[in-house]
Amino acid sequence: QSPLTQPAAVSGSPGQSITISCTGTTNDVGRYNYVSWYQQYPGKAPRLMIYDVSNRPSGVSNRFSGSKSGNTASLTISGLQTEDEADYYCSSFTTINNWVFGGGTKLTVL
Amino acid sequence: QVQLVESGGGVVQPGRSLRLSCAASGFTFSNHAMHWVRQAPGKGLEWVAYISYHGSYKIYAGSVKGRFTISRDDFESTVFLQMDSLRLDDTALYFCARDASGQYCADYWGPGTLVTVSS
Repeated sequence: QSPLTQPAAVSGSPGQSITISCTGTTNDVGRYNYVSWYQQYPGKAPRLMIYDVSNRPSGVSNRFSGSKSGNTASLTISGLQTEDEADYYCSSFTTINNWVFGGGTKLTVL
Repeated sequence: QVQLVESGGGVVQPGRSLRLSCAASGFTFSNHAMHWVRQAPGKGLEWVAYISYHGSYKIYAGSVKGRFTISRDDFESTVFLQMDSLRLDDTALYFCARDASGQYCADYWGPGTLVTVSS
């Protein structure tokens, strides 16, 4: 069982919006604003999409946004596109000075 | 452009050792902390180890603590992962990743090197 809990799968149609949740504890997500989100295509390296809860690195579409409430962080993808179909992982820094990942969410664009 | 290339993976028997390398280019390596992250076949990401930009601070996941050692050579712009007492559940694709200074995340990743522990 992964330290951070994500839904195994979500789906949406092109143009719609979806949200992926990431639930941790007061020792990680709830304690720090150091939540990041990664996109991974099969057989490829992860790509950073969101850092510090809601910031986008240069080059990441503004269709991707992040937020946090209490021990749960969320990634929202608006205006879904077929190229968004991938696995998404959340990550957080923790009180014992390490990093943890969620189990990953497979996004299917129908 | 930032580039990270891992090497050193392969097939190894349980209990044996393996040393992974990650060659970095396209940025000032000595200014960045580095991570190793692994992914077992068909599974999710698991953070493994971190080394600070000066190399004096290292932290490990509980699953590898005491068996794996992270190190770096700033002259060669390379980060290493020495893996001892390998177990079957260490089988994974091992990624090195650059720490995004001040943001507690990894902003660039290598393609990974596959480690298979099998008898």
